[in-house]
Amino acid sequence: GENVEQHPSTLSVQEGDSAVIKCTYSDSASNYFPWYKQELGKGPQLIIDIRSNVGEKKDQRIAVTLNKTAKHFSLHITETQPEDSAVYFCASLMNRDDKIIFGKGTRLHILP
Amino acid sequence: GAVVSQHPSWVICKSGTSVKIECRSLDFQATTMFWYRQFPKQSLMLMATSNEGSKATYEQGVEKDKFLINHASLTLSTLTVTSAHPEDSSFYICSARSPGRNEQFFGPGTRLTVL
Repeated sequence: GENVEQHPSTLSVQEGDSAVIKCTYSDSASNYFPWYKQELGKGPQLIIDIRSNVGEKKDQRIAVTLNKTAKHFSLHITETQPEDSAVYFCASLMNRDDKIIFGKGTRLHILP
Repeated sequence: GAVVSQHPSWVICKSGTSVKIECRSLDFQATTMFWYRQFPKQSLMLMATSNEGSKATYEQGVEKDKFLINHASLTLSTLTVTSAHPEDSSFYICSARSPGRNEQFFGPGTRLTVL
């Protein structure tokens, strides 16, 4: 079955700098890759997603890139702010399977 | 749009009692809802997939007689933890997906503490 690996598990970034979180997936049939942000005590919030027919997508300070050949996808957050501190999960989904497969999460700390 | 609510947000119960958690899609119809459990500092673990009008599909290792799921309408799914024990204490999160879409939207979660 599909396996999603996420790195790093913890990331500390100075406020204003950029943060990058990387994920790999195993099944080439996966074609939808969402990213979720989870704040303490809350449910995950979809922040951006990308489909396999697109290589990059950007929404203000957040961007996601996808390399289908290498089965890599990454989340980029620029000009980080204190409110970006949270746990971020990457995930993948295949059309033929309803289940979203999550990475183990990255705890992002934005340092003042 | 795409708002999912859960009720209650937290619950404390005695060992041996049953607890029901509701998950509602507020502004869209969800043919499929998902129930997850999350332990501290861990990722989300899928418990079951719930399709409106049919029986839920449980993941391996999840007891269907202990975690009863009902998806009676396109906007409501319920999870009942029966005969709860302290090891069932966890953060339970639902998500909902509308027909023909990949996106899943998550509820705010329910913190269950079993004494």
